[in-house]
Amino acid sequence: DADVTQTPRNRITKTGKRIMLECSQTKGHDRMYWYRQDPGLGLRLIYYSFDVKDINKGEISDGYSVSRQAQAKFSLSLESAIPNQTALYFCATSDSWGQGYTFGSGTRLTVV
Amino acid sequence: GENVEQHPSTLSVQEGDSAVIKCTYSDSASNYFPWYKQELGKRPQLIIDIRSNVGEKKDQRIAVTLNKTAKHFSLHITETQPEDSAVYFCAASPGTGNQFYFGTGTSLTVIP
Repeated sequence: DADVTQTPRNRITKTGKRIMLECSQTKGHDRMYWYRQDPGLGLRLIYYSFDVKDINKGEISDGYSVSRQAQAKFSLSLESAIPNQTALYFCATSDSWGQGYTFGSGTRLTVV
Repeated sequence: GENVEQHPSTLSVQEGDSAVIKCTYSDSASNYFPWYKQELGKRPQLIIDIRSNVGEKKDQRIAVTLNKTAKHFSLHITETQPEDSAVYFCAASPGTGNQFYFGTGTSLTVIP
């Protein structure tokens, strides 16, 4: 399912490095989201965007920033990576009513 | 904000038995309740959803029930099969439809 594509799929980076995770979608959805998944904690929202000029913080935005370059593209940046940002990151999209999330394949990030 | 609790965190059943996963939510404004299945190493995928104007919805071996008064909803899987083994997440979306609030997940193992 190539509707929501994340790159890279896996990444190992060093503490203090800047890293960008990218997400693109072909579903034509307005809304895009970034989540992180940690064992036992489920999916937690980092940032979300309702359209190109709209950016909103989620529950765990500290240490992250985002850019909505176009309707189809939403990138997540870690300005200075730290080990507790090691996690599985998912991008998701939804329609204008916020229903029917479609998730990307995920990016497994390891900060050493 | 919304708080979604999910139980149990792990569940093992014999093949052919039923499995039930329960979620509670706190915000009475929530009106959309999807369930996601995440197989090992894959993205979460929507398997069934229910809106607040409906008490029950079925799709083959899967059903979801909603009790708005008690603020809880449940996923029921009948005649379980090994391929049902996965992590299941519930979610609740407030009336504004801004974002989903996810439960912490249930790891279901179906023993052949």
